Amino acid sequence: AQKITQTQPGMFVQEKEAVTLDCTYDTSDQSYGLFWYKQPSSGEMIFLIYQGSYDEQNATEGRYSLNFQKARKSANLVISASQLGDSAMYFCALHTGTASKLTFGTGTRLQVTL
Amino acid sequence: ETGVTQTPRHLVMGMTNKKSLKCEQHLGHNAMYWYKQSAKKPLELMFVYSLEERVENNSVPSRFSPECPNSSHLFLHLHTLQPEDSALYLCASSQKTGSSFNYGYTFGSGTRLTVV
Repeated sequence: AQKITQTQPGMFVQEKEAVTLDCTYDTSDQSYGLFWYKQPSSGEMIFLIYQGSYDEQNATEGRYSLNFQKARKSANLVISASQLGDSAMYFCALHTGTASKLTFGTGTRLQVTL
Repeated sequence: ETGVTQTPRHLVMGMTNKKSLKCEQHLGHNAMYWYKQSAKKPLELMFVYSLEERVENNSVPSRFSPECPNSSHLFLHLHTLQPEDSALYLCASSQKTGSSFNYGYTFGSGTRLTVV
């Protein structure tokens, strides 16, 4: 079975600071993909970043980077230089060949303060 | 229009009503999904359609009935719902390419459903 665990229900960060959102996963598949999505209050799930299990480099997309530690089965999202518009729910998700679908964690609510 | 469009954005319905949620994608994707998002719970996959054929049904009650008439449209027909069915219903589409698992999942903005 596939499982995603996000242990931080809520996080606060000051504007312009960096923040790390935690994600651990469990799968017996050797090939899989990890995703991070942002969900503002409007409801839409916005794709942020993707990491494949065989990718040797940590993924980066602008201010987003993924700290992928395969042996620990963790895929933490790092947001640098936080902005007020980053305030939202953030979801980690796992896709495996066996499940052939996205499995989501419970999410972390990030609040960026002045 | 581009992306994944869901209508209506908000819906309030009584337990005896029949209504339908609509999802439309303009991305040329070959798979579409219905997810349910309840408060403080992970997104739950309800249905998967690949090439217009239902390939997954995650033990969803029969009061939810999906329909996929073509690769661009997906419906969720609702009847005799319960108050606990109140949630955000998200539609997504994807296109499997190559050997990567990044299938370009794209989500709509969701329909916020309230059952009274």
